[in-house]
Amino acid sequence: AQSVTQPDIHITVSEGASLELRCNYSYGATPYLFWYVQSPGQGLQLLLKYFSGDTLVQGIKGFEAEFKRSQSSFNLRKPSVHWSDAAEYFCAVGAWSSASKIIFGSGTRLSIRP
Amino acid sequence: EAQVTQNPRYLITVTGKKLTVTCSQNMNHEYMSWYRQDPGLGLRQIYYSMNVEVTDKGDVPEGYKVSRKEKRNFPLILESPSPNQTSLYFCASSPRDSSSLHFGNGTRLTVT
Repeated sequence: AQSVTQPDIHITVSEGASLELRCNYSYGATPYLFWYVQSPGQGLQLLLKYFSGDTLVQGIKGFEAEFKRSQSSFNLRKPSVHWSDAAEYFCAVGAWSSASKIIFGSGTRLSIRP
Repeated sequence: EAQVTQNPRYLITVTGKKLTVTCSQNMNHEYMSWYRQDPGLGLRQIYYSMNVEVTDKGDVPEGYKVSRKEKRNFPLILESPSPNQTSLYFCASSPRDSSSLHFGNGTRLTVT
């Protein structure tokens, strides 16, 4: 069965500290992977996506993610978080050519400690 | 500005009173979809549409209807809302042959 697991429901980090949000997936075909961010009261915004090629992908707002096929993981990282990064983050997996089959994880809420 | 617009942003209604949540996109996207977001469950797909007059069920379609008469609009209809449909709803769109979704700002629905 296809699924996405985000094992951390809520994470708190200090401003300026590094961040890693975990994502594991199960997908029958070649996975196409996404990270979305949802700021309070807003819709989801695409942070980055991985289709093929270099397994380290850069996104907006200083985020990056690394695809590790052997671990079925696509963890999101940021070297130094800002208070404005407080939001909910969703990992998703799907097929490259069709948004209809995208599966979302349950999300990780990020809080920033001043 | 390219955007997906949902209305209303907030809606409180009573059980059984039909309602419609509108969704419109100005990006000429072929694909549109509706999701509901519930705590601990992430986003679950309700219905989607690959193009005008083409709609299909997602993972949780029970109690919902949709229509796609025009490319830009994809309304979500609850014929007889029930309290278990209290949720945060998102409309999203995407161009053909792409998986990157553009989301609206959401509609928070409460059914009492």
